[in-house]
Amino acid sequence: NAGVMQNPRHLVRRRGQEARLRCSPVKGHSHVYWYRQLPEEGLKFMVYLQKENIIDESGMPKERFSAEFPKEGPSILRIQQVVRGDSAAYFCASSQSESYSYEQYFGPGTRLTVT
Amino acid sequence: GESVGLHLPTLSVQEGDNSIINCAYSNSASDYFIWYKQESGKGPQFIIDIRSNMDKRQGQRVTVLLNKTVKHLSLQIAATQPGDSAVYFCAEKGYGQNFVFGPGTRLSVLP
Repeated sequence: NAGVMQNPRHLVRRRGQEARLRCSPVKGHSHVYWYRQLPEEGLKFMVYLQKENIIDESGMPKERFSAEFPKEGPSILRIQQVVRGDSAAYFCASSQSESYSYEQYFGPGTRLTVT
Repeated sequence: GESVGLHLPTLSVQEGDNSIINCAYSNSASDYFIWYKQESGKGPQFIIDIRSNMDKRQGQRVTVLLNKTVKHLSLQIAATQPGDSAVYFCAEKGYGQNFVFGPGTRLSVLP
C-alpha cells in the first residue's frame, strides 16, 4: 500500500451519529482521493483534494458528507447523521502529483458499520 | 454517462495456467486505464496501467491489452499462482482526476 494510513480500520456507529475517517497519505504526496466500496462492488469516486483545497467533489453526496485536507495533518472524511446506507468500506488513495502515470496508492480502508 | 464493466464476474483457473480477465468500457474518449488487484480486507493494489496510445503493455507476469476499436481491455496473468487469488478491477480515468472502477472479477486459483 506504499504507506497510506487510514484509521480507524473498523468503525461502528448508531444511526444519527457522526463518523470521522482519517487518511494520512504517502509522505510527500499532496493529492488525496476518497472512494466508497459496497460489498462485492467496485469503488465509487467521492472526492479529490489537494492541500487545503477540494478539487473535485462530484461523487460526494451534497448533504451530510464533507471532506478536508488541511495544511497540516491527515485528510478527514466526515459523515454526519449516519444512516444504514452509509455502511461501506471507505478507501483513501494518494498520489504525488498530476503525473503521467496518475498512480494512486490506496490505504487499507475503513469499514463503517451503521447499526 | 461513463461506465466500466466486466464480462466475467468470477474466474477459476488451475495453478500454473494463464488467466485472462476482461473489461469493457463505454467512454471512447478515455485515455488512461489501470488494473488493480484487491485482496480480501485490503485496499486495491496497482498492477499495471496503459495509455490509449498503446495497444499492449507488459509487466512482470502480467500483460494488459487495449482494443480501442471495441473499447475492450484485458489483463493476462502468466503462470497463475495461488497468491494471485483476489478481485481484479479495471479503472478508467474519468473527467479530472477521478477514476471509474468496474464491478470487479474474482479470480480463484485452484491447486
